[in-house]
Amino acid sequence: EVRLVESGGGLVKPGGSLRLSCAASGFTFSSYTMNWVRQAPGKGLEWVSSITTSSSYIYYADSVKGRFTISRDNAKNSLYLQMNSLRAEDTAMYYCAKVRGSDSGPDYWGLGTLVTVSS
Amino acid sequence: NFMLTQPHSVSESPGKTVTISCTRSSGSIANNYVQWYQQRPGSSPTTVIYEDNQRPSAVPDRFSGSIDSSSNSASLTISGLKTEDEADYYCQSYDSSNHGVFGGGTKLTVL
Repeated sequence: EVRLVESGGGLVKPGGSLRLSCAASGFTFSSYTMNWVRQAPGKGLEWVSSITTSSSYIYYADSVKGRFTISRDNAKNSLYLQMNSLRAEDTAMYYCAKVRGSDSGPDYWGLGTLVTVSS
Repeated sequence: NFMLTQPHSVSESPGKTVTISCTRSSGSIANNYVQWYQQRPGSSPTTVIYEDNQRPSAVPDRFSGSIDSSSNSASLTISGLKTEDEADYYCQSYDSSNHGVFGGGTKLTVL
C-alpha cells in the first residue's frame, strides 16, 4: 500500500523558514518523480514543485521560485521542501504526491501538513 | 503557459449523469495528458481519471474521461450519480516546461 506522510508544518512569522518532509513507503521511491502541491484555505489546488527520480530535473512554480527548494533522499525514501522568506500567501495545506509516470500527474497523495504564515 | 478553466459548480440529481468540463486556454488539449481528482471535504485528493481517459482499478466505471480537440477541452462524466460523489473535482495537466497546471475546481452537488 502506497503511503505518504508529511510533517514539518506549523506556525511561522513572515520572512521565516520551514522544512517540510514526506516519508514514503509501499513503492520503489527512487523510481518515481515526486511533487509538492498546496491548497490555501478554502481555495483550489496549486502545483508547487517537481523533482525527478535522481534529482536531475527540478521545477518550481513562479510563485515560489527562488524561495523554496525541493530535494529528495532516495536512501531514506524521503522528499523535502525547504521554504524560506515565507509570506502570508504561502499559508496552505502542503501535500506530497507521487507521480504516476512520464507526463502523467500525481496518483497518490499524502494527508498534508498545514503551514500558517502569520505574525 | 496555459490555464485550465472549469465551471465553478454543477448540480444534478441522484441517478442522473453530469459532465464537468476543463478548457485549455492555449495549446492543444491533446499535447499533455489530463488527470482528474476528487476531493471530499477535509480529505486529500484522489485520482478518478488519469492520462485523459484511464480509470484506476478502485474507481467505479461510472466515472469516465475524454478530450475533445474541437473545443480544446477535457471532460469528466459521472453517470448514475450517488450522494457520495458530492465533492470538488479538479483537472490537471503539465505545460511544455513541465510545470503542473490545475483547473480552479468544480463543486459537484448531488441533490
